[in-house]
Amino acid sequence: DTAVSQTPKYLVTQMGNDKSIKCEQNLGHDTMYWYKQDSKKFLKIMFSYNNKELIINETVPNRFSPKSPDKAHLNLHINSLELGDSAVYFCASSQDLASGRRNEQFFGPGTRLTVL
Amino acid sequence: AQRVTQPEKLLSVFKGAPVELKCNYSYSGSPELFWYVQYSRQRLQLLLRHISRESIKGFTADLNKGETSFHLKKPFAQEEDSAMYYCALSFPGANSKLTFGKGITLSVRP
Repeated sequence: DTAVSQTPKYLVTQMGNDKSIKCEQNLGHDTMYWYKQDSKKFLKIMFSYNNKELIINETVPNRFSPKSPDKAHLNLHINSLELGDSAVYFCASSQDLASGRRNEQFFGPGTRLTVL
Repeated sequence: AQRVTQPEKLLSVFKGAPVELKCNYSYSGSPELFWYVQYSRQRLQLLLRHISRESIKGFTADLNKGETSFHLKKPFAQEEDSAMYYCALSFPGANSKLTFGKGITLSVRP
């Protein structure tokens, strides 16, 4: 299936641990994103990569480090996890148009992170 | 900075009733507006965008630049429309991003 996939789907861990979430898209898109959805369902962008280069870095603690080994992957590594990191993390991708206009974003299924 | 406001958190209607999900935005240029939907246990997906001016699943949304609004409407709600709806805005440019509203839960009762 062509899609955006994320692993794992659920992640339960203790405070202070380091964890990674992986994202892959096989849609041939050149831009990928990470979003955080909090307990109130508020969606906020964290990072955006275009052709493996970071183009958006919102006000996110530097404990969060995205890594893009190639155009099809954008992984999120989180160091020293805190209780407030508990949320659903969504990966997304899009193929942006030559005019600079934004195209539809395709979202992954989400990773529910619970920090105990 | 751009901002998207969805003033209501929940809208509950009976099947067959009209639906209007409100969205207002603040941006000085020419934004692109979108509605995304998240059905229960499914991923977020695009419902419609203003530049395509189409009707999807009976929903329409018109960009009103004077009122800076992009309300989502459907004349007769169906139970399968129950979901979380997000209004989103982006602007042209290399560092563009989608800014989402806080979302609204639509509940359609039988």
